[in-house]
Order: sequence, then C-alpha cells, then structure tokens
Amino acid sequence: DAGVIQSPRHEVTEMGQEVTLRCKPISGHDYLFWYRQTMMRGLELLIYFNNNVPIDDSGMPEDRFSAKMPNASFSTLKIQPSEPRDSAVYFCASSTGGGETQYFGPGTRLLVL
Amino acid sequence: KNEVEQSPQNLTAQEGEFITINCSYSVGISALHWLQQHPGGGIVSLFMLSSGKKKHGRLIATINIQEKHSSLHITASHPRDSAVYICAAPAQYGGSQGNLIFGKGTKLSVKP
Repeated sequence: DAGVIQSPRHEVTEMGQEVTLRCKPISGHDYLFWYRQTMMRGLELLIYFNNNVPIDDSGMPEDRFSAKMPNASFSTLKIQPSEPRDSAVYFCASSTGGGETQYFGPGTRLLVL
Repeated sequence: KNEVEQSPQNLTAQEGEFITINCSYSVGISALHWLQQHPGGGIVSLFMLSSGKKKHGRLIATINIQEKHSSLHITASHPRDSAVYICAAPAQYGGSQGNLIFGKGTKLSVKP
C-alpha cells in the first residue's frame, strides 16, 4: 500500500483565501484523523472520523475550519477564510481502530501570509 | 482530560550511548503510543503498549500502568536515531481511544 497520501505538500496563500487540504487514508482503515502541528502547541487533534462519520470535532479551532469525509478513501479539511495564525503543518492519519496504531501522512505545510 | 508530560525536552548523546526518554500521564489509559518524527517532518508510529514491555530492534518501550509512566529506551544509539520522540495517550479514560493527547516531544541528537 502507498500509505496515507496528502495533498498538497506545501501551500502558500494570502490571508482571507480559502484553503483545502486533502487526504487519502490507507485502504481498509476505518478511522481517519486530522492533526495540526505548531512550534508553540505541538501536535493537536482537530477531528477524527469513524466509517466516514465525524466522531470528535472538539479540537476544531473555530467555524472557519470544516472537515468532510464523503467516502472511505477521501477526506478534506477546509479553512475559510484563512488567517496567518493557521500557518502550521497539517497531518492526516488513519488506523484500523480507534485505539490502534495510527499511520501518518507526510503532512501539508501551510503558510498564510 | 489527560495531561502528558515528557522529559527531557532536549537530549544530546554520543554514538553508542544508552538513551532513556520518559513520559508521564495523569489519567488512567488503555494504551500509550510512542512516535518518532524525523528531521524532515515525517511521523512514524513506533509502539503502542498497554502493559509491560515491547522491543523492536534497538528500541524498547516500557509502561507502568499503576505509576502512569512510560519510558522509551534506545540501546547502542546511532546518529540516525536523531529525531523528535513523542508520546501520546488517550484524552480520557474510557470512551473513544482515538482522541490522543501528545507530549511536547523530546529532541534527540546523537553525535558520531
């Protein structure tokens, strides 16, 4: 398997623009996680899905952030409008169970100017 | 909500040394995770353990559930072990175990 695939790998945008990050989990994994990593706060869970259904979105910072999982092989994390404080590395991970080993994608490095 | 603490924050070692990284958490858990983040940013899951000890090559992870403490050991350290090591535990006891709280990480640098 190719592992968890994320795109784009790098994104530079201007404040106020819409940003969409994409993730393809490992085939057969029924859990998908979105994380954000910053120098100040480290790794933080934003939201996770089980069988395409959002289970816990308490980590989503505010209404500007939204995530969807229309099918088992694709998820998006959208920021609209983006702000400079959203600059971070966003990771997607997948697993076969909620408490099982998580496999991380390479991350998307986002810079909002 | 669980609090995860790691020590030390930074660690420099000479090649061949035995390394220990510590992790403590505040709420009882079913399993604890150890992750490795490479200098390039990629994250790899090393261990998930709920009791006792696990070994993979030169890496050994132990956990003491009663003391809410885990350690990651590296034997015969090598410069390629240089990375950030992160421990993670479920946010709360019971409930979904997918909501992980991460430690701040330990940055290890192994000098040749």
